[in-house]
Amino acid sequence: DAGVTQSPTHLIKTRGQHVTLRCSPISGHKSVSWYQQVLGQGPQFIFQYYEKEERGRGNFPDRFSARQFPNYSSELNVNALLLGDSALYLCASSLVTGNSPLHFGNGTRLTVT
Amino acid sequence: AQSVAQPEDQVNVAEGNPLTVKCTYSVSGNPYLFWYVQYPNRGLQFLLKYITGDNLVKGSYGFEAEFNKSQTSFHLKKPSALVSDSALYFCAVRDDYGQNFVFGPGTRLSVLP
Repeated sequence: DAGVTQSPTHLIKTRGQHVTLRCSPISGHKSVSWYQQVLGQGPQFIFQYYEKEERGRGNFPDRFSARQFPNYSSELNVNALLLGDSALYLCASSLVTGNSPLHFGNGTRLTVT
Repeated sequence: AQSVAQPEDQVNVAEGNPLTVKCTYSVSGNPYLFWYVQYPNRGLQFLLKYITGDNLVKGSYGFEAEFNKSQTSFHLKKPSALVSDSALYFCAVRDDYGQNFVFGPGTRLSVLP
């Protein structure tokens, strides 16, 4: 079975631009979460979606938004990019919102110049 | 609020020796605890979890972890380290009420040949 897939793998954007990151969960997983990992730090929670509804939101500005589609894939959107948005963006899927582990994709490396 | 501490930025161990990577946590309800490993330019890989039951949990690649409720700790262990175990290790926690995982800052493990 395919794991969590994310696209693109790398992205370079300029300050003020907008970016869309995409994620396909493991087949059968209905919960998708997004995390930001800045170099040298642990992943920070951005959003969780379950059954196409937002179930959790981390401490990120409104420039960050996401959605989940009927096939359970997801998009993370970031507007008005700042240099500080440069990070590895990780998508994770899981079976249910209980004690199931998160299964991560390899991430999208975003560089803002 | 949930939190995770990994008191050591770096752990060095000789190949064949036992290894321990430390983690302490804080949650308001019952803890669900997880360990993940991250190799360069990759996403996080699930190693093991503690939900309830035996305090010693066995996981992938010969790793195990010991849950200690009184010390609020969940240390990762392996009896005999391999050079290929060299990577970044993250401890994570979620509780009964949270929808998201909270990750520690990570510990870099170096196994020396």
